[in-house]
Amino acid sequence: GAVVSQHPSRVICKSGTSVKIECRSLDFQATTMFWYRQFPKKSLMLMATSNEGSKATYEQGVEKDKFLINHASLTLSTLTVTSAHPEDSSFYICSAIPSGRSYEQYFGPGTRLTVT
Amino acid sequence: EDQVTQSPEALRLQEGESSSLNCSYTVSGLRGLFWYRQDPGKGPEFLFTLYSAGEEKEKERLKATLTKKESFLHITAPKPEDSATYLCAVINAGNNRKLIWGLGTSLGVNP
Repeated sequence: GAVVSQHPSRVICKSGTSVKIECRSLDFQATTMFWYRQFPKKSLMLMATSNEGSKATYEQGVEKDKFLINHASLTLSTLTVTSAHPEDSSFYICSAIPSGRSYEQYFGPGTRLTVT
Repeated sequence: EDQVTQSPEALRLQEGESSSLNCSYTVSGLRGLFWYRQDPGKGPEFLFTLYSAGEEKEKERLKATLTKKESFLHITAPKPEDSATYLCAVINAGNNRKLIWGLGTSLGVNP
């Protein structure tokens, strides 16, 4: 139980284009989802908290106009990287807390984004 | 300031050689401590949640314990497939469910 999927697993895009990453909770509903970024050999950096039906809460220093988050249903959140640049290349991971649970986050397998 | 420190940074064991990983924390009001396993190029896999000092949880060869200052992840008779990075994270009172992460312990188990 508590399986989270992400799509795509890898994506390469050209500088200036936008790319969308999907995060789905497969066997549970999630009122709250999170988006992280991870650099090599570094801990996970929280980008934003996504609540179903409301606007995402972004962490300090994360540009909300660049990283658009939509949590349209209890099983789907999307992250769109707009006008991507090479410095946006990273490993993006989502997580979800099952509705009714307090704190346990279950993570997706991650998406490797490369901007050329 | 809330902080999580994991040690050692890296550990290499022989198959069957038991050991422990440490996670020390300073937080204002611990709501929960979490252990995750992360394989290269993958997202973290949930292992355990501990909520109060004295609590212990087990899963196969892993056992997690918690005191008021630290948590240990004991690995009994490890196998090569236990090789991974083990991450510790905490949530404190009032931080809106944000995880505060340690840098992890990279574990390698030789056959």
